[in-house]
Amino acid sequence: SYDLTQPPSVSVSPGQTASITCSGDKLGDRYVCWYQQKPSQSPVLIIYQDSRRRPGIPERFSGSNSGDTATLTISGTQAMDEADYYCQTWNSTASTVVFGGGTKLTVL
Amino acid sequence: EVQLVESGGGLVKPGGSLRVSCAASGLIFTNVWMSWVRQVPGKGLEWVGRIKSNADGGTTDYAAPVKDRFIISRDESKNTLHLQMKSLQNDDTAVYYCVTHLRQSYYFDNWGQGTLVTVSS
Repeated sequence: SYDLTQPPSVSVSPGQTASITCSGDKLGDRYVCWYQQKPSQSPVLIIYQDSRRRPGIPERFSGSNSGDTATLTISGTQAMDEADYYCQTWNSTASTVVFGGGTKLTVL
Repeated sequence: EVQLVESGGGLVKPGGSLRVSCAASGLIFTNVWMSWVRQVPGKGLEWVGRIKSNADGGTTDYAAPVKDRFIISRDESKNTLHLQMKSLQNDDTAVYYCVTHLRQSYYFDNWGQGTLVTVSS
């Protein structure tokens, strides 16, 4: 099976840049998306196709994917960005989906 | 505005069965691929399975842990998605989310609020 690895937690100061990584074997050969989940809420798709922002998602959110690592970058992080973030990709041959374990972003 | 409303969650004994449903509105249901994603409270997301639109064959695929125990179906007349679960185990306890696929991709662009399924004796 294919695994995606994320750091359990990332901390950032308000106004600074947060980077959340997602690692997998030759992940750059696949498309990746990112979800944001705030406490007691359902996840929200924020980035898809590696780097495309969903409508209504602030420009401070960006994504990239190369080699074995995809990265979600939040520039000028705000307190409202504190949430869990999940990366996700899929296996088109087997038609199965895999999520990373999630990263808790703390803004302090 | 797309709305997905899950229902049918509850407490079930190990080995039991349960069906959860998802009522969809604000979209052309017949054109949309749908999946179920679950989340153990306080833990990460896990994809359960997918059903394609009827136009794309209506085929289903499942994650290994649920294959041969769970069945996804869709009722086009009621714009409703179903997840029939049998031989439930303690580790099937989770919030079950109904999600739509962005076009025919594997990006999940709309999520319901989830329904909690608890498997316990």
